[in-house]
Amino acid sequence: RKEVEQDPGPFNVPEGATVAFNCTYSNSASQSFFWYRQDCRKEPKLLMSVYSSGNEDGRFTAQLNRASQYISLLIRDSKLSDSATYLCVVNKGGGNKLTFGTGTQLKVEL
Amino acid sequence: GAVVSQHPSRVICKSGTSVKIECRSLDFQATTMFWYRQFPKKSLMLMATSNEGSKATYEQGVEKDKFLINHASLTLSTLTVTSAHPEDSSFYICSARDHSGIDYNEQFFGPGTRLTVL
Repeated sequence: RKEVEQDPGPFNVPEGATVAFNCTYSNSASQSFFWYRQDCRKEPKLLMSVYSSGNEDGRFTAQLNRASQYISLLIRDSKLSDSATYLCVVNKGGGNKLTFGTGTQLKVEL
Repeated sequence: GAVVSQHPSRVICKSGTSVKIECRSLDFQATTMFWYRQFPKKSLMLMATSNEGSKATYEQGVEKDKFLINHASLTLSTLTVTSAHPEDSSFYICSARDHSGIDYNEQFFGPGTRLTVL
């Protein structure tokens, strides 16, 4: 089983749609969780950290369910510029090692 | 946010040659930097953790004699791919943590180096 699993997609959605991505992680000792965004042939950029209480940043909402070892990202009112690959990232704790999922590709269309 | 640069952004070399990639933290000091590799349509895989003033820590399956890492200063880490072969062709990305930053856990990534070995 992969340490971090994501549906690779692609998710093709119309502009203005709401889309949700899910991610599961295998190590119950994981301590920190993030969503990164990666554009084609570019480096990953932090979108948001994911906190136990859930957090929101504008159109983006992240949720963490430790019991189910599950993380989600919700994007509301999708924009064309949201088209990218969204990476679920987990820090196992006790250090700085990040484990990346393979990413979920989002394509927002007119 | 903090800025990390990489050089070169792209390199094409012949099989058997060595290639050096530089990673610099431009506006902060980084005692720890990380080197990742990403193959097409695959996830980023951590290769090694670069520690300023000491030996790098390599992940399982990564040959330390093939991927030489040097972290001689608080703002510079280098990765040298020795005797490169076509299977080493990949996107190499470094990252660094800004210990003085707001989010202690955030890693800032360099723009990556695309290596093609002919």
